[in-house]
Amino acid sequence: NAGVTQTPKFQVLKTGQSMTLQCAQDMNHEYMSWYRQDPGMGLRLIHYSVGAGITDQGEVPNGYNVSRSTTEDFPLRLLSAAPSQTSVYFCASSPGQFGGYTFGSGTRLTVV
Amino acid sequence: AQSVAQPEDQVNVAEGNPLTVKCTYSVSGNPYLFWYVQYPNRGLQFLLKYITGDNLVKGSYGFEAEFNKSQTSFHLKKPSALVSDSALYFCAVRPPPDSNYQLIWGAGTKLIIKP
Repeated sequence: NAGVTQTPKFQVLKTGQSMTLQCAQDMNHEYMSWYRQDPGMGLRLIHYSVGAGITDQGEVPNGYNVSRSTTEDFPLRLLSAAPSQTSVYFCASSPGQFGGYTFGSGTRLTVV
Repeated sequence: AQSVAQPEDQVNVAEGNPLTVKCTYSVSGNPYLFWYVQYPNRGLQFLLKYITGDNLVKGSYGFEAEFNKSQTSFHLKKPSALVSDSALYFCAVRPPPDSNYQLIWGAGTKLIIKP
């Protein structure tokens, strides 16, 4: 019963590098989302998806891309890393409107 | 604008005492309400939710929350605090219509339980 799996757990990038944060869930949840968590700012929604093939922007989408080719996977791509993207990133999934979210354990990203 | 407020950045409680973590919201209609907990260096964990029905909702780890429609509040409570309850607590609201399952999040309240 893995739930939501995020990889990697830690990553250091140089400014301008690109990378993909992986997120996979094995609960057949329709909804998946990416958040970033910064000190004093709570959770901010980056992108979300309500099903395979459907994605949309959240509150802070600039500098990030997503795709949802399968129900299980929802990768987050950083196109050209900037120090402002230093944060902890969480992936979450939900079975639908009545369900709570299940969160991954997070990826701590540092951009130098 | 729709919003969720957690008016206390930090709540300090002695072990064994009752605890309350406050949440109020400004959302039209009848929203769904949630509480999550985050332990240090961990992801958020779902605690409980209110969808409809009884205003007192029971959740994980002995927590409960009381929905008050007239005061637009959803305070988290526990009768007897444990040191292990020390964590960051988030209130979240899903406003209707629920076409995209998104949540509006409070900023979080740090709960410190002192032995």
